[in-house]
Amino acid sequence: GAVVSQHPSWVICKSGTSVKIECRSLDFQATTMFWYRQFPKQSLMLMATSNEGSKATYEQGVEKDKFLINHASLTLSTLTVTSAHPEDSSFYLCSGLSSYEQYFGPGTRLTVT
Amino acid sequence: GENVEQHPSTLSVQEGDSAVIKCTYSDSASNYFPWYKQELGKRPQLIIDIRSNVGEKKDQRIAVTLNKTAKHFSLHITETQPEDSAVYFCAANPYGNNRLAFGKGNQVVVIP
Repeated sequence: GAVVSQHPSWVICKSGTSVKIECRSLDFQATTMFWYRQFPKQSLMLMATSNEGSKATYEQGVEKDKFLINHASLTLSTLTVTSAHPEDSSFYLCSGLSSYEQYFGPGTRLTVT
Repeated sequence: GENVEQHPSTLSVQEGDSAVIKCTYSDSASNYFPWYKQELGKRPQLIIDIRSNVGEKKDQRIAVTLNKTAKHFSLHITETQPEDSAVYFCAANPYGNNRLAFGKGNQVVVIP
């Protein structure tokens, strides 16, 4: 399968600060990437679809001004959590679309104190 | 939107026995049904998927069956091993596009 990386793997930040998470496709070009959030012992919730060279499409209930997505190249998408609050603490996962299959990155565990 | 339901939520099986997890979906436009395995704290891994033009797909000890009329699909794991213990998520693509809606997950425990 295709390989996707994420950086950082974990991050702790203070309330009110912003955090950027990178998602890279290592052995394929991902014109489409997806961002998910997963709370403990829960399912994966799709936040947004990231398309290279165009604006991201956000799912209902996800604030686009709070979760900024940039997909500037065929192998890199970034998610910036702005003005983070403790309730934003979660496991953030990205996936890259290869053909019709989604391959996930290892995830970023965000803790907001 | 798509509603994907998984049953049972937890499944315990003796090593060597078979495990079956069933998912139902609501959107008749869905045409792609992947299964992911997620170990604690790790990424979901695509283990098998099926498209709507086939009814069954097999890969070694893992198989997936699809019943489009009834809108359900199932994961079958034969000769289970302790390393099969994980949470398994099914998914479907609403509106037939690339976005995925995931079920809540099944915790599978293989008892040695």
